[in-house]
Amino acid sequence: EDQVTQSPEALRLQEGESSSLNCSYTVSGLRGLFWYRQDPGKGPEFLFTLYSAGEEKEKERLKATLTKKESFLHITAPKPEDSATYLCAGGTDSWGKFQFGAGTQVVVTP
Amino acid sequence: NAGVMQNPRHLVRRRGQEARLRCSPMKGHSHVYWYRQLPEEGLKFMVYLQKENIIDESGMPKERFSAEFPKEGPSILRIQQVVRGDSAAYFCASSPRGLADYEQYFGPGTRLTVT
Repeated sequence: EDQVTQSPEALRLQEGESSSLNCSYTVSGLRGLFWYRQDPGKGPEFLFTLYSAGEEKEKERLKATLTKKESFLHITAPKPEDSATYLCAGGTDSWGKFQFGAGTQVVVTP
Repeated sequence: NAGVMQNPRHLVRRRGQEARLRCSPMKGHSHVYWYRQLPEEGLKFMVYLQKENIIDESGMPKERFSAEFPKEGPSILRIQQVVRGDSAAYFCASSPRGLADYEQYFGPGTRLTVT
């Protein structure tokens, strides 16, 4: 059965304290690995798409990487405004049925 | 370019009533996906539609739930005879291409509360 698992469930960081979030997947025929950010009471906001092992993408303090079994979202020198729930999803099938992980809730304190 | 729009943002229904959730995709997007998010759980796929066609409804309960995406107008997710377990956030996403390697853009969601 296809599964996407995120860890840790929650992460509390001091401002400036870098860390990494993990997304492991057992998805047959993965076509794309997606990262989203979700703020409380809002819809997920698209961050990155990764397609193949070894690929990396960056946006401000965030960098996403992909291996054959997992993806990491690195947060470098986070700020309080980076506080959010980060979701990863695997795109399977031919037409885009996303399998989401449960998310990692990140809190960055000043 | 307006994003995905959903309305209402909040909906309260009594048990047994009907709930209608609307989604207008981003301009130029003809692929619409509906997801449900229960408290403390991840997003779960419900249904994928293109204009006038349901492509995959494998995540949608067989009874009481239906979805449509007419030629004109928004996509509608309809829940008949709502029960307390239907209380959740319902998100719509759209994409210009219905492919697994293409990102989906989400709306703000409709939060359904069944009393």
